Amino acid sequence: GNSVTQMEGPVTLSEEAFLTINCTYTATGYPSLFWYVQYPGEGLQLLLKATKADDKGSNKGFEATYRKETTSFHLEKGSVQVSDSAVYFCALWDRKEAAGNKLTFGGGTRVLVKP
Amino acid sequence: DGGITQSPKYLFRKEGQNVTLSCEQNLNHDAMYWYRQDPGQGLRLIYYSQIVNDFQKGDIAEGYSVSREKKESFPLTVTSAQKNPTAFYLCASSISEYSNQPQHFGDGTRLSIL
Repeated sequence: GNSVTQMEGPVTLSEEAFLTINCTYTATGYPSLFWYVQYPGEGLQLLLKATKADDKGSNKGFEATYRKETTSFHLEKGSVQVSDSAVYFCALWDRKEAAGNKLTFGGGTRVLVKP
Repeated sequence: DGGITQSPKYLFRKEGQNVTLSCEQNLNHDAMYWYRQDPGQGLRLIYYSQIVNDFQKGDIAEGYSVSREKKESFPLTVTSAQKNPTAFYLCASSISEYSNQPQHFGDGTRLSIL
């Protein structure tokens, strides 16, 4: 079956530091890849996505590139802010997976940005 | 604005009691989902529904039940058979089962045992 592996947190860093959250996946087909963000006490919000190899998703200063050769979709941001403190989830959707638009999620990475 | 509304935000259950979590969407999405999130863990799929009057078990369906009588509503019942129901429950929807369009999430319901 499909799976997503994220680096374990928490990741603690200072404001304006560079953030990288690693995400690797296994999939039987050609998945679409997503990053979701969850702020405290809230649901998940889509941060960015990429639907095919070499696509780069970007939003709010975050970027991730779909690397088929390394089966990775690492999230990066060049200069984080305190407001970026949240839990970040990597996820994949694979058309070849069982019926339904089922997402496979990683375990989440908590990020804490200190002023 | 279109979105997903989950209620209540906090819910308390006594031992042996069934409780129902509400999920309503006005996005005109065909597919809806229920996830469970435990502290420090990812999301696990409980049930999903691709169309009205149809639903399928996810990875952890035991102790839960759902219905999909209307397109916009997908309530989840946590039954007394669920031995460890304390968790954060998230409802989501997407345009259709065949689309790689992202799922939209509600703000969740936190369920606790008294």
